Amino acid sequence: AQSVAQPEDQVNVAEGNPLTVKCTYSVSGNPYLFWYVQYPNRGLQFLLKYITGDNLVKGSYGFEAEFNKSQTSFHLKKPSALVSDSALYFCAVRAGGFKTIFGAGTRLFVKA
Amino acid sequence: ETGVTQTPRHLVMGMTNKKSLKCEQHLGHNAMYWYKQSAKKPLELMFVYNFKEQTENNSVPSRFSPECPNSSHLFLHLHTLQPEDSALYLCASSQGSEETQYFGPGTRLLVL
Repeated sequence: AQSVAQPEDQVNVAEGNPLTVKCTYSVSGNPYLFWYVQYPNRGLQFLLKYITGDNLVKGSYGFEAEFNKSQTSFHLKKPSALVSDSALYFCAVRAGGFKTIFGAGTRLFVKA
Repeated sequence: ETGVTQTPRHLVMGMTNKKSLKCEQHLGHNAMYWYKQSAKKPLELMFVYNFKEQTENNSVPSRFSPECPNSSHLFLHLHTLQPEDSALYLCASSQGSEETQYFGPGTRLLVL
């Protein structure tokens, strides 16, 4: 079965420290992987995606993600967190056709 | 703004009411989606339309009825809903099945 797992409900990090939000996936075939962010009372906003090529993908607002095929992971990272990065982050994988499977979300809290 | 608008932003309805949610995209995309977002649950794909044709119906109860009159507009008609249908309903669009989805701000629905 195709699935996406975000093992942490919440990640807490101090401003200026590096952050990692974890995501693992299970999908048949080549994965198309995405990260989205959701701020309060807003829809999801696209951050970055991996389709093919370089395993390190750079996206919006200084975020990047590393695709690891052997570990079936696609962790989101940022070298230096900002308070304004506090939000809900979703990992997603294309599951064939127009179907996308989203993880349950990880709430990131950056403390000043 | 992502180029996807949704109205109304908030809706309170009784279980015997009939209401409709509207979504409009200004991005020239050919695919449109309805998602349900409930607290602490992954996003649930409800319906997908590609070039006005429904391509996905994710076992959604018949009290939810989608309508896609053209590639820019998507409606979700609601009738005889249940309290457990209370959620944030998100609309999204994309250019193709493998492309990034762009989300509207959502309609927060409360069923009393």
